[in-house]
Amino acid sequence: GAGVSQTPSNKVTEKGKYVELRCDPISGHTALYWYRQSLGQGPEFLIYFQGTGAADDSGLPNDRFFAVRPEGSVSTLKIQRTERGDSAVYLCASSPDGSNYGYTFGSGTRLTVV
Amino acid sequence: DQQVKQNSPSLSVQEGRISILNCDYTNSMFDYFLWYKKYPAEGPTFLISISSIKDKNEDGRFTVFLNKSAKHLSLHIVPSQPGDSAVYFCAASAGGAQKLVFGQGTRLTINP
Repeated sequence: GAGVSQTPSNKVTEKGKYVELRCDPISGHTALYWYRQSLGQGPEFLIYFQGTGAADDSGLPNDRFFAVRPEGSVSTLKIQRTERGDSAVYLCASSPDGSNYGYTFGSGTRLTVV
Repeated sequence: DQQVKQNSPSLSVQEGRISILNCDYTNSMFDYFLWYKKYPAEGPTFLISISSIKDKNEDGRFTVFLNKSAKHLSLHIVPSQPGDSAVYFCAASAGGAQKLVFGQGTRLTINP
């Protein structure tokens, strides 16, 4: 596609529920990144994929968070037993070759846990 | 532990004048720095970057200055235009690492 696509754009869920957030990177981009942006803060790194494998998942806050990229294209961020503190905008980005020289972000998914 | 800090939450500049956005960092391992611009309801857009081997990089109206000894960088926009009104984030990475560490952002408003 022309840009990084994230769905849904907005998600409201109840505390304790499971959610999945989807990211479609730019076609041909091998690297994919997930970030989380809380209100009034800058984006915070969660995980980075090179191809199908998670090359760096040091930013995942706890084991309730998990991400996959089974075919090296679309990625899904999964959050179990959601908490109100998980409310944030979840941003996905991709780059053609894994360089961080200005990768392209999607518009994000705004997750609200009530 | 905020490794990248943007101490000014907001900045207001008159159209046509220079906008200067500042960023400080604490991690001496950072060797690559970027600026992103973000409009409401959109993802951040890459603006300009600089490697630690340089002290200045220029791209059109945008110039980034890096002062390694002070662990400080700044973004200069001249002349400022109404379309520059947005939130600006600085970001840094270390040793070729893919993850970026972002500052909190500065909201720039350009007044006509």
